[in-house]
Amino acid sequence: TQLLEQSPQFLSIQEGENLTVYCNSSSVFSSLQWYRQEPGEGPVLLVTVVTGGEVKKLKRLTFQFGDARKDSSLHITAAQPGDTGLYLCAGRPSGTYKYIFGTGTRLKVLA
Amino acid sequence: ETGVTQTPRHLVMGMTNKKSLKCEQHLGHNAMYWYKQSAKKPLELMFVYSLEERVENNSVPSRFSPECPNSSHLFLHLHTLQPEDSALYLCASSQEARVVGELFFGEGSRLTVL
Repeated sequence: TQLLEQSPQFLSIQEGENLTVYCNSSSVFSSLQWYRQEPGEGPVLLVTVVTGGEVKKLKRLTFQFGDARKDSSLHITAAQPGDTGLYLCAGRPSGTYKYIFGTGTRLKVLA
Repeated sequence: ETGVTQTPRHLVMGMTNKKSLKCEQHLGHNAMYWYKQSAKKPLELMFVYSLEERVENNSVPSRFSPECPNSSHLFLHLHTLQPEDSALYLCASSQEARVVGELFFGEGSRLTVL
């Protein structure tokens, strides 16, 4: 069974602080995605990374795919209340049609 | 309408009832997915359909029966459910099942089994 463990599970920070969320697995994935889910809605894609060592930036969000394609991180700079939500990583094992989701990190940014 | 639409948004059913969840996508996608989201577990993949053909069945109990009559519609038929089946059921679609792409999710159907 391929599992994606995210840490921390919960995070409550003040507006303006920086944070990093981790997504780890013992399995190799052909690609990894990050989604954000807000209450009452489905997850929405933030980014897809496909190359080991790849770094992508989306405004204040920086995503990195591990060299061995087993892990990923999401770094948020100067967090804002609008960043509040459930952050989910999702991996696609090679040769399957599956997107396996991580355990989730629930972020709350206080004004 | 645009995107992925799920109905009903909320459903309460007894253990002996039969009900169905409906998903419709207006994106012209060829792949559709059912996921289960419980409070204490990660999003669990249930089924994947590619052009109306089921291509993944993730060891889901037979009390859940999917149906994909065409590439725009996906159903999840429910019968003799258990209280532990209470969860948010999310439908998603993507351009093609074979290629890594963005999953577009609906808002979910919140199911409560009494």
